[in-house]
Amino acid sequence: QKEVEQDPGPLSVPEGAIVSLNCTYSNSAFQYFMWYRQYSRKGPELLMYTYSSGNKEDGRFTAQVDKSSKYISLFIRDSQPSDSATYLCAMRGNTNQAGTALIFGKGTTLSVSS
Amino acid sequence: EAGVAQSPRYKIIEKRQSVAFWCNPISGHATLYWYQQILGQGPKLLIQFQNNGVVDDSQLPKDRFSAERLKGVDSTLKIQPAKLEDSAVYLCASSLRGGQGTGELFFGEGSRLTVL
Repeated sequence: QKEVEQDPGPLSVPEGAIVSLNCTYSNSAFQYFMWYRQYSRKGPELLMYTYSSGNKEDGRFTAQVDKSSKYISLFIRDSQPSDSATYLCAMRGNTNQAGTALIFGKGTTLSVSS
Repeated sequence: EAGVAQSPRYKIIEKRQSVAFWCNPISGHATLYWYQQILGQGPKLLIQFQNNGVVDDSQLPKDRFSAERLKGVDSTLKIQPAKLEDSAVYLCASSLRGGQGTGELFFGEGSRLTVL
């Protein structure tokens, strides 16, 4: 079993739809949970991060973490064509050592049509 | 603020040839990472530096891959000899404080390698 599982899609939705993206993980030591967005031929950029369990909202984006189920989600409201990209979940443990690298999911490719 | 710079953006080589990629992180960022992203996959860590020391290179295929970070700033990733399965985008990332806090990674645009 991979440490982080993510359905690669592709996912196609009409403009204005609510999008739900999900990841599951197996390592209970993970404490930081992030969503990166990657446009075609670009590097990933941080979209949202959450520490431990709970919800976090930023504009049209909401990130949820359920550590009891080892399940994280990203919701996009009122989706726009500019949201068309690959969304990567990423996570890591909490350590005092300077340098715990992120473990990434495969990424879900989203296409929003106008 | 300047982002993470990588070069070259694209490289095509024959198998068994060698190739080198260069990365200049964001100024002041102590931690530097090299990730490999194969088409349709998420980035996979190859090596992580803290200043000029290696923190984690457990997934680096050391028989053919090498990396260095001289003076704790720029870094070079080398592949010699290249195999077909090395075709991927090589992403360099840097972070201010590594594993502390959010440890947000800032990525460059990547170096796309095609091995024929």
